[in-house]
Amino acid sequence: AQKITQTQPGMFVQEKEAVTLDCTYDTSDPSYGLFWYKQPSSGEMIFLIYQGSYDQQNATEGRYSLNFQKARKSANLVISASQLGDSAMYFCAMRPITNTGNQFYFGTGTSLTVIP
Amino acid sequence: GAGVSQSPSNKVTEKGKDVELRCDPISGHTALYWYRQRLGQGLEFLIYFQGNSAPDKSGLPSDRFSAERTGESVSTLTIQRTQQEDSAVYLCASSLDRGTYNEQFFGPGTRLTVL
Repeated sequence: AQKITQTQPGMFVQEKEAVTLDCTYDTSDPSYGLFWYKQPSSGEMIFLIYQGSYDQQNATEGRYSLNFQKARKSANLVISASQLGDSAMYFCAMRPITNTGNQFYFGTGTSLTVIP
Repeated sequence: GAGVSQSPSNKVTEKGKDVELRCDPISGHTALYWYRQRLGQGLEFLIYFQGNSAPDKSGLPSDRFSAERTGESVSTLTIQRTQQEDSAVYLCASSLDRGTYNEQFFGPGTRLTVL
């Protein structure tokens, strides 16, 4: 069974500090992609970062980096130098590559609040 | 258009009525997904279209839900005999292909309220 777990329903971080949002996943498929999305209060889903299961390096995109630990099946998002505009819901998602399933599986999300 | 568009943006309906939600994907995107997001919850997969292949309907919660897509164009999600538990934001997303890297571009959603 495919499953994404985000254990932190809410997180607070001081402006300019770094924060780590946890994500663990469960899959038996050897090939998969991991994604993080941001959903501000306006509701749109914004793609942040991607990590492939066979990628050797951890993905980075500006202030976002993905701490990928394949053996532990974790894909934590690290946001450095937090800004007030980072306050939003953050969703981790996984897409296994199979011959039968094409779904994205999303976690329940983490609400991040950046404190000035 | 430059992004995924959805209409209507808001829909209020009475219990028992049918509703139809529309999604216009980004031109050239062969994959299209529908999700449901209840208030304060994560995304619930509903259905996936990839080109002319048979859709993956495994996420549809009941036979009251159906979706159509003609080729690689517009998709409609239909909910028949709506129930109050159908109230949610319905999100549509499209992407280029079904490779490992398959970033989804999301539309703004349709907020459905069933009274």
